[in-house]
Amino acid sequence: AQTVTQSQPEMSVQEAETVTLSCTYDTSENNYYLFWYKQPPSRQMILVIRQEAYKQQNATENRFSVNFQKAAKSFSLKISDSQLGDTAMYFCAFMTATASNFGNEKLTFGTGTRLTIIP
Amino acid sequence: KAGVTQTPRYLIKTRGQQVTLSCSPISGHRSVSWYQQTPGQGLQFLFEYFSETQRNKGNFPGRFSGRQFSNSRSEMNVSTLELGDSALYLCASSRTTGGRADEQYFGPGTRLTVT
Repeated sequence: AQTVTQSQPEMSVQEAETVTLSCTYDTSENNYYLFWYKQPPSRQMILVIRQEAYKQQNATENRFSVNFQKAAKSFSLKISDSQLGDTAMYFCAFMTATASNFGNEKLTFGTGTRLTIIP
Repeated sequence: KAGVTQTPRYLIKTRGQQVTLSCSPISGHRSVSWYQQTPGQGLQFLFEYFSETQRNKGNFPGRFSGRQFSNSRSEMNVSTLELGDSALYLCASSRTTGGRADEQYFGPGTRLTVT
């Protein structure tokens, strides 16, 4: 079974600063996907960024980037130039990938990090 | 394109009752997954449906069940409600093209309160 650990329950940072959220995971699989999801207060969960384990290059999406260390099973999220709209719960999630990925549409989530951007 | 919709958004039930929650996926999405979110247990996977078949199931008692219709809409049912079933129930849909994990798009959730 896979596990995902987020060791920072809460973080806060000044607007325009850079913040890094940590995530570690445990799996015996070699092929998998990692995701960061954002859940703003009382709003829908949305995908921030995804990483495929077979890709060595770290994923980036505008101000969001990841540091994926496969050997260390670490997957941190960096938010640059943080904005008030980044205030949310952030969840790290894992999904197994098989050859067909059939029957594996299951996300395993970490416990989340509550990020507050201070004006 | 309309997003994932869930009905009802809020629900209050008493212990022992049963409840049915509904999820309409994004048009063209064939996979629907359900998750339970609570402050104590976090986000936990309930089950996933594809083409009207349950492909994957989480570690929940048999009181939790679901189904998917031919139009990919899905329902989940909880029978004999317990206080611990109070939670936000999230539905997510994806295209599931096969061979590659597609992004899961989440609905706004149904907030179930059991009294």
